[in-house]
Amino acid sequence: AQKVTQAQTEISVVEKEDVTLDCVYETRDTTYYLFWYKQPPSGELVFLIRRNSFDEQNEISGRYSWNFQKSTSSFNFTITASQVVDSAVYFCALSEARNRDDKIIFGKGTRLHILP
Amino acid sequence: DGGITQSPKYLFRKEGQNVTLSCEQNLNHDAMYWYRQDPGQGLRLIYYSQIVNDFQKGDIAEGYSVSREKKESFPLTVTSAQKNPTAFYLCASSINSGGVTDTQYFGPGTRLTVL
Repeated sequence: AQKVTQAQTEISVVEKEDVTLDCVYETRDTTYYLFWYKQPPSGELVFLIRRNSFDEQNEISGRYSWNFQKSTSSFNFTITASQVVDSAVYFCALSEARNRDDKIIFGKGTRLHILP
Repeated sequence: DGGITQSPKYLFRKEGQNVTLSCEQNLNHDAMYWYRQDPGQGLRLIYYSQIVNDFQKGDIAEGYSVSREKKESFPLTVTSAQKNPTAFYLCASSINSGGVTDTQYFGPGTRLTVL
């Protein structure tokens, strides 16, 4: 069965600090997709990244970076030089390729507070 | 602009009443989804539809119903049979290209409160 665990329920850091959000997943499939979404206070989920299981290269997008490690079944998300606007709930999610209907399983989210 | 709209943003309903939440997309996506979000619970799938006139139950379909008569629209009805309907409801859509998992894009959500 597929499962996503975000062990950090809530994190607070001071602005300009770096912060890493952890995501551990479980799947029996060899082909799968991992996602990160951001949910600001307005409520809408904003797509950040999609990564397939065959692409283990780390990704950087501005202040955001993602570290995908199949050996530990982790897909961690780091924000460098955090800003107050980064305050949100962040969700990690998993979809197995054999699900031909794009169904996604979400973790319970990590609430991130960036303190000014 | 292309996107997903949900209305209303806030909805209040009396216990025992049915209520319908609207979801419309102009992204030309084939697949649409409804999720429920409760505090600390993440998102749970209620119903999804991969194509017009077809839909499937998700993990928590009891007390809900949907229809998919048009590609752009996927309304969700919360019936009186839903025992604890107060929650934040999110609609999403994806291309559904088949063979790979496509990204789901989300609407702004509807917050339903049962009085």
